[in-house]
Amino acid sequence: DSGVTQTPKHLITATGQRVTLRCSPRSGDLSVYWYQQSLDQGLQFLIQYYNGEERAKGNILERFSAQQFPDLHSELNLSSLELGDSALYFCASSRNSQGPYEQYFGPGTRLTVT
Amino acid sequence: AQSVTQLDSHVSVSEGTPVLLRCNYSSSYSPSLFWYVQHPNKGLQLLLKYTSAATLVKGINGFEAEFKKSETSFHLTKPSAHMSDAAEYFCVVRKRIGFSGGYNKLIFGAGTRLAVHP
Repeated sequence: DSGVTQTPKHLITATGQRVTLRCSPRSGDLSVYWYQQSLDQGLQFLIQYYNGEERAKGNILERFSAQQFPDLHSELNLSSLELGDSALYFCASSRNSQGPYEQYFGPGTRLTVT
Repeated sequence: AQSVTQLDSHVSVSEGTPVLLRCNYSSSYSPSLFWYVQHPNKGLQLLLKYTSAATLVKGINGFEAEFKKSETSFHLTKPSAHMSDAAEYFCVVRKRIGFSGGYNKLIFGAGTRLAVHP
């Protein structure tokens, strides 16, 4: 158990809908990262937050947004969902955003768009 | 630019035999490298990390990796495979973004699926 929690575990929704994925980092970790894992794209970095502020953006679509709250939990919002958004979404956390750090991953949320 | 290439998409070994999962990296500076493992329907677990200290890095579950700068490689090995080692393994490099050093992301290889046969 990495100490990173994600809810829900599974999510099934229809095209055009909007969903929110939630992540709680390990105790004491200030950085939260979101990743998307799909069969065709592999593991792709989406976005990073550090202590409430956006720090880095990866291959995140404009339909997707995220935020990190004062209690350090984070939410990833996916809107106008398309079939191609079906994937496993991981959240990870690390102590800070610098140095030779490692990231600890949550169990993921499997999103299925029908 | 930072990148990693996992040379085998699938590796199959017999239980009790050695494991070798190959990874080559590309980096314009001294890299931070990691191996992660993903068991079926599970999240990713850190196996080990290289951060410019010892070139031979020991990880969990008997795995180790050797950083070879001359070969730009970071291969993962285990002397004796166990059935529970069957999983997908990812070689990962840290990429710095921006100028201040506070911006980082992980670049994942495509993964190597390890099958262990009785």
